[in-house]
Amino acid sequence: KAGVTQTPRYLIKTRGQQVTLSCSPISGHRSVSWYQQTPGQGLQFLFEYFSETQRNKGNFPGRFSGRQFSNSRSEMNVSTLELGDSALYLCASSLVPTGAREQYFGPGTRLTVT
Amino acid sequence: AQSVTQPDIHITVSEGASLELRCNYSYGATPYLFWYVQSPGQGLQLLLKYFSGDTLVQGIKGFEAEFKRSQSSFNLRKPSVHWSDAAEYFCAVGSTGTASKLTFGTGTRLQVTL
Repeated sequence: KAGVTQTPRYLIKTRGQQVTLSCSPISGHRSVSWYQQTPGQGLQFLFEYFSETQRNKGNFPGRFSGRQFSNSRSEMNVSTLELGDSALYLCASSLVPTGAREQYFGPGTRLTVT
Repeated sequence: AQSVTQPDIHITVSEGASLELRCNYSYGATPYLFWYVQSPGQGLQLLLKYFSGDTLVQGIKGFEAEFKRSQSSFNLRKPSVHWSDAAEYFCAVGSTGTASKLTFGTGTRLQVTL
């Protein structure tokens, strides 16, 4: 079974631009979560989607948004990019939204904002 | 709010030596606990999980972890470390209810000397 895939793997953007990252979960998984990883803040939860609905959201500004499609694929968008948005963005999938299930992570998208 | 503490930022062990990485959690009920490993530039790979039952859990790559409720700990162990185990290790606690959110510790970077 194929794992979680994320595209693109690397991105370089300029301050003020916007960016869209894509995540395809493991086949059959319906819950997708997004995390931001930075050296200073570590791994932080962004949001979670299930059945095309945002179920939970972390403590991030409204510039960070996402959506999920009927095939469970998910995208996240960051508008008006800031230098501090440079990070590794990780997507994780699980069968259903519960803490009692394994989450499987993709390789991440490395975003650099200049 | 739940939290995870990994007291050791960096650990160095010799190849063939035993390893123990510490993890303490703060959570009222029985937690859902996970250990993940991350190689440089990669996503997170699930090593093992604890949901309930036997407090000693086995994972992949020869790792095991022991859940000790009295100490609020979930330490990761390996009897004999291989050079390929050099990576960053993250302990995480999962949410209860209908949420997949993981709360991560700050990670422990493992260096293996030959």
